[in-house]
Amino acid sequence: DQQVKQNSPSLSVQEGRISILNCDYTNSMFDYFLWYKKYPAEGPTFLISISSIKDKNEDGRFTVFLNKSAKHLSLHIVPSQPGDSAVYFCAASGHSGAGSYQLTFGKGTKLSVIP
Amino acid sequence: GAGVSQSPRYKVAKRGQDVALRCDPISGHVSLFWYQQALGQGPEFLTYFQNEAQLDKSGLPSDRFFAERPEGSVSTLKIQRTQQEDSAVYLCASSLGADQPQHFGDGTRLSIL
Repeated sequence: DQQVKQNSPSLSVQEGRISILNCDYTNSMFDYFLWYKKYPAEGPTFLISISSIKDKNEDGRFTVFLNKSAKHLSLHIVPSQPGDSAVYFCAASGHSGAGSYQLTFGKGTKLSVIP
Repeated sequence: GAGVSQSPRYKVAKRGQDVALRCDPISGHVSLFWYQQALGQGPEFLTYFQNEAQLDKSGLPSDRFFAERPEGSVSTLKIQRTQQEDSAVYLCASSLGADQPQHFGDGTRLSIL
């Protein structure tokens, strides 16, 4: 039973346009959400995070939106660049109990930015 | 280096052998996590240390898996009597605090023949 779902295995976007990556979660105890970017043969690289007390966090070209009532978050990249081509993982954690702070990941979305 | 360092990058072992995977976290990072990533999947949590204390080992798949961080810095993940289903990438991550973003190493790709 997947607690974090990324329903789009892949996404192709033209260079300069907006990339929107989506993520849904089921566990109401999650209160901290992160996006990671992963190139082949490398570990995930932290991109941006958001706490459940916010609904938006922005860092340069990257913005994460959180809709708690829908248990949905999205990552917007604008403008998209060829170097953004990678696999993007959504991750979530909750701050309670013995299992706190561990990250629960989705399966990832492979983004291809076409020059 | 400034990042999380893992060694070896690749490990091939025969079924039944024991293996040890090493993680050097970012200096000063109190929290250390181990994850297992199967092909086409996201990383899955194995265990968590705060300094030298192993506070959560709920993700370890069997008693063949053992992790330690004796001095609160370097950590070792040991897998005894390896099985083919242990083949995966093992990722280590560290963070300043448990509720801070985790920073990952490049992983160890383990192949069991």
